Amino acid sequence: EDQVTQSPEALRLQEGESSSLNCSYTVSGLRGLFWYRQDPGKGPEFLFTLYSAGEEKEKERLKATLTKKESFLHITAPKPEDSATYLCAVRWGSNYKLTFGKGTLLTVNP
Amino acid sequence: EAQVTQNPRYLITVTGKKLTVTCSQNMNHEYMSWYRQDPGLGLRQIYYSMNVEVTDKGDVPEGYKVSRKEKRNFPLILESPSPNQTSLYFCASTMDRGFGEAFFGQGTRLTVV
Repeated sequence: EDQVTQSPEALRLQEGESSSLNCSYTVSGLRGLFWYRQDPGKGPEFLFTLYSAGEEKEKERLKATLTKKESFLHITAPKPEDSATYLCAVRWGSNYKLTFGKGTLLTVNP
Repeated sequence: EAQVTQNPRYLITVTGKKLTVTCSQNMNHEYMSWYRQDPGLGLRQIYYSMNVEVTDKGDVPEGYKVSRKEKRNFPLILESPSPNQTSLYFCASTMDRGFGEAFFGQGTRLTVV
């Protein structure tokens, strides 16, 4: 069973059409949840860290929220340059491992 | 400029021939890690290091070795590469003991034939 599940696997939006990406996790003792953006052929780029349920963070058109079992990445009025794969990762328990979900491929059409 | 540098960017090798992928960071970060990325499987952590001489296994450590003799360097060693280690590899370094912003290298595309 995957410990971090992202949905949908792929999402196609029109420019300006807001939507949300989901990251659900089954680990206990969450110590941090991370969102990254990855463009083709490049390394992931850090977006946010969330630590506790109820926490929210924003950056330009992106807003990340966290509950006890999932996180959402809300994209408001997306632009074509927001097209990328969005990755979620968690750290939990007493170790320092980082476990990623498989990502959501977002395509924003002009 | 803050950066993580991996070398080589591309490598084709034969089964069983030992190789090392280097990783260096210039940000004085304590936490460094290696990942492999495969289609359909996503990004998986191989090893991580909390500081010099402190390393630990990630989710897929089999077939890999690492060392952390200096803070800035974290090489990934494949003692006897096999075709199932063909993958895209990323090194990353992170501030705040791994909870802060992670900086990733450009990636190393390894093919083992």
